[in-house]
Amino acid sequence: AQSVTQLGSHVSVSEGALVLLRCNYSSSVPPYLFWYVQYPNQGLQLLLKYTTGATLVKGINGFEAEFKKSETSFHLTKPSAHMSDAAEYFCAVSVSPAFTGGGNKLTFGTGTQLKVEL
Amino acid sequence: NAGVTQTPKFRVLKTGQSMTLLCAQDMNHEYMYWYRQDPGMGLRLIHYSVGEGTTAKGEVPDGYNVSRLKKQNFLLGLESAAPSQTSVYFCASSYRQETQYFGPGTRLLVL
Repeated sequence: AQSVTQLGSHVSVSEGALVLLRCNYSSSVPPYLFWYVQYPNQGLQLLLKYTTGATLVKGINGFEAEFKKSETSFHLTKPSAHMSDAAEYFCAVSVSPAFTGGGNKLTFGTGTQLKVEL
Repeated sequence: NAGVTQTPKFRVLKTGQSMTLLCAQDMNHEYMYWYRQDPGMGLRLIHYSVGEGTTAKGEVPDGYNVSRLKKQNFLLGLESAAPSQTSVYFCASSYRQETQYFGPGTRLLVL
């Protein structure tokens, strides 16, 4: 079974400051990792994902994340926060279909609410 | 392309009433999912389907039933609603094991 831990349910940064949202995962087989963003009263939108290959993954809106197997981490970063980044962010894990025999069950973390202040 | 749509957007039920939530996707995706989102708990998988006519249980299936009679539709039913089912329900779809695309959600309040 897989699990995800997001450290910090609320993170506050100043506009222009570095954004760092932490995600650690647990998986007995090679994981697929995702970051989703949810704006108020909306569904989830994919920011970026890691499946295989390059461990530094770039996503939309200037976000990126690095897969670190030794640390079982997939932290989300953005060099300079913008007011429009205020939202809730979810880290999620699944596994390669080679291990599931079907389905693509995502396991989500509990979310981190990002607040951006002037 | 509408993507993933959900009907209704908001509903209030009394305890014991039944209802069906409809999810539709126009991306010809094989896989569809139903999640519930509760404060501080992230999203939890209720049921999913890997193709027309097939369904499977997720993490929290009790009190819910689903049907996938057509590839583009995935229905979630509550036979006898309980206050514990007050939540925001999200449908998602994917092309096999690829990225999941989410609908806008249905807010359900059970009194």
